[in-house]
Order: sequence, then C-alpha cells, then structure tokens
Amino acid sequence: KAGVTQTPRYLIKTRGQQVTLSCSPISGHRSVSWYQQTPGQGLQFLFEYFSETQRNKGNFPGRFSGRQFSNSRSEMNVSTLELGDSALYLCASSLRSGGANEQFFGPGTRLTVL
Amino acid sequence: GDSVTQMEGPVTLSEEAFLTINCTYTATGYPSLFWYVQYPGEGLQLLLKATKADDKGSNKGFEATYRKETTSFHLEKGSVQVSDSAVYFCALKGAGSYQLTFGKGTKLSVIP
Repeated sequence: KAGVTQTPRYLIKTRGQQVTLSCSPISGHRSVSWYQQTPGQGLQFLFEYFSETQRNKGNFPGRFSGRQFSNSRSEMNVSTLELGDSALYLCASSLRSGGANEQFFGPGTRLTVL
Repeated sequence: GDSVTQMEGPVTLSEEAFLTINCTYTATGYPSLFWYVQYPGEGLQLLLKATKADDKGSNKGFEATYRKETTSFHLEKGSVQVSDSAVYFCALKGAGSYQLTFGKGTKLSVIP
C-alpha cells in the first residue's frame, strides 16, 4: 500500500499570500489529521477530519482552515500568511477517528514565509 | 489539559551503548501512549505504542512500559546503532480524544 503523500514538499511564499497544502491518505483510511511542527513550539495539532467533517480543532487562528473530500483526500489552507507560519506541516491518516487508532504520517510540506 | 514532558536533548551516545529517554505525562483517565521517530528530512514513524497500564510496547529493539503509577513511558534500547540517530517523540492520545499530544522531542546522535 502506498503511504501518506503530501504535495508540494516545499513551498516559498511571501507575507500576506495564501497557500493550500494537499494530503492523500493511505487507501481505506478515512481520518486525516494535520499538525504544525516548528523548532520553538514543537508539534501542535491543527485539526482532524473524518468522513468530510471536522471532528476537532486545535488552538490556531481562523486563518488556518481545511476540508476533506469524499475520497478522503484533505487540503489545508492558510490565508494572510505571517512569518511565524513558516513550519513543517504534517498530515497523518488513520482508519478511524479517535481512540488508539495508529496515525501514519506523511513526509510533510516545508513552508517558508518571506 | 493533556501534556507530555520528555528529557531535553541532544543525547550523544557511542555505538552499542544503552539508551534511556525519559517521558512523563499528565492526562485524565487512561490515555494511549506512543513513541514516534523522525529521521532527517522525513515525517514521523510510529516506533511503538501501549494502550493500557503495564503494557510493554516493543519494536526494533526499543521498549517502553506504560507505568500508570508513575505516569511514565520511558524509551529504552540495550545497544544503539548509528542508524538509530534521529529525533524521538513521546506522545499521548487521551481517551475519546481525536488528537495526539507530543513532547518536545529528543535528538539522539550515535557515534561509531
């Protein structure tokens, strides 16, 4: 089975722009979660989608949004980019939502905001 | 809320040395506990997990035991290799929770 794929792998944007990141989960997985990884804050949960519904959202401003499609692929959007949004954005998929379901991570998208 | 505290790094060991990375947690109820590993330039890989008290997770020579009484999940390996050089993250998922809560990570470097 193919693993979790994320596109693009690298992205450079300037302040004020918006960006869309894409995540394709492992075939058959219906839950997709997004995390932000920075040297200062570590790994922080952004949100989780299951069956096209947002199940949970972390403590991030409304500039961060996402969605999930009927094929379980997910996109994450960040509007009005700030320098502090520079980070590695990781997507993880699992068969189901919640509990001890194992989350499989993609390689991440490295976003640099100039 | 839930939180994970793991030992600060970086940790530098010689090949074949014994490894311990301490991890303690705060959570209500009975969370599931995980260790993830991140190699340079890559995403996270699940190393091992434990879902209830006294469970021992193990994989690739690494072990960790879920200790409810001390709220700990320390990672151990008897003999590290250069290929084990990576960043290790302890994480928990609370009962009924949808998200993983991670520690800050511990960078391990193993020298020949």
